[in-house]
Amino acid sequence: NAGVTQTPKFQVLKTGQSMTLQCAQDMNHEYMSWYRQDPGMGLRLIHYSVGAGITDQGEVPNGYNVSRSTTEDFPLRLLSAAPSQTSVYFCASRGWGVNEKLFFGSGTQLSVL
Amino acid sequence: DQQVKQNSPSLSVQEGRISILNCDYTNSMFDYFLWYKKYPAEGPTFLISISSIKDKNEDGRFTVFLNKSAKHLSLHIVPSQPGDSAVYFCAANVQGGSEKLVFGKGTKLTVNP
Repeated sequence: NAGVTQTPKFQVLKTGQSMTLQCAQDMNHEYMSWYRQDPGMGLRLIHYSVGAGITDQGEVPNGYNVSRSTTEDFPLRLLSAAPSQTSVYFCASRGWGVNEKLFFGSGTQLSVL
Repeated sequence: DQQVKQNSPSLSVQEGRISILNCDYTNSMFDYFLWYKKYPAEGPTFLISISSIKDKNEDGRFTVFLNKSAKHLSLHIVPSQPGDSAVYFCAANVQGGSEKLVFGKGTKLTVNP
């Protein structure tokens, strides 16, 4: 059981470049989300989805785009990378019910130069 | 406005002693709380949770206490082990409501042999 799989693990971008962080889960979870972790800032919610075709914004959505075409996949797109988007990104999923525990991927370390 | 606060960035304890990690919240609508543990280069993993209808929940060496009047919860680890060294995140949610789990900034626990 792979759980939540994120790719790539590391990425370096130049300012203005675009890229997609991939996230896939094999637990048939309806809810998926993206967080970023910055030093001294904890985990902040970027976007989330409660099912295929349904997405919504979290606390820090600007500069990011998401879509959910399947239950399994929830990619995060950086439209035009900025140094402020240098961070560690975590994808997470959970079953139905807001009190179900989140399962996290191992993270993507992104540096924007 | 930080709704979940972990005011101690770090904590150091001796192996075998008790570790107490604290968390305060400001949103009176929060009624479900979770603790996550994070090792370096890994995603957070769920540790323990508590609903506001309880004031204590225990799971092995880990106990979470909730004081609703003070809007305060704490995680007790007894006895502490070197393998407990990690960053601990407190998180809060609103049952049956928000899909947005709110995290604190984390406390880095170091357990010295």
